[in-house]
Amino acid sequence: ELKVEQNPLFLSMQEGKNYTIYCNYSTTSDRLYWYRQDPGKSLESLFVLLSNGAVKQEGRLMASLDTKARLSTLHITAAVHDLSATYFCAVDDNAGNQFYFGTGTSLTVIP
Amino acid sequence: SAVISQKPSRDICQRGTSLTIQCQVDSQVTMMFWYRQQPGQSLTLIATANQGSEATYESGFVIDKFPISRPNLTFSTLTVSNMSPEDSSIYLCSGGTTEAFFGQGTRLTVV
Repeated sequence: ELKVEQNPLFLSMQEGKNYTIYCNYSTTSDRLYWYRQDPGKSLESLFVLLSNGAVKQEGRLMASLDTKARLSTLHITAAVHDLSATYFCAVDDNAGNQFYFGTGTSLTVIP
Repeated sequence: SAVISQKPSRDICQRGTSLTIQCQVDSQVTMMFWYRQQPGQSLTLIATANQGSEATYESGFVIDKFPISRPNLTFSTLTVSNMSPEDSSIYLCSGGTTEAFFGQGTRLTVV
């Protein structure tokens, strides 16, 4: 079974600071996804990374994928309170038949 | 992108009864999945809903407890059968072709 691990699980950071969330997965996959979930809400798609070396940026968030290391990172630049949420990475089996989520990172940005 | 409408958004049910959750996608999608999410936890894949054939269930989930239908490429249902309080959770459907989008979730409480 494919395993997806994120760290840290909980992150409290001050506004204006930078930080990186890590997502490791246990099997070969070229497709990795990042989602955001606000309390009591469903998941919002942030990034889709479909190849080794892929990098995508949206506002203060930047995601990258290293398929050889089986690692993706979500980098937060100059955090603001609105970024407080839980962030999930997810990996599929390259065939779209199975789709597994990481443990989630609960981010709190403190003013 | 795809927009997924899921209903009901929440329900309170008596133990021993069944609840059917519906998901309607605004476009044809290849993949549809059903997840369960306990409060503060990640998503656990219940099954992959296959169009025109039986769903593929993950370890720990069985068809008798969670029957799934997918009559076409835009619609799926998940039934939670013979419910017990342990089934209280958020149930999410997801669908997509190159990436997965999510319904709003169903918050189920079994009393």
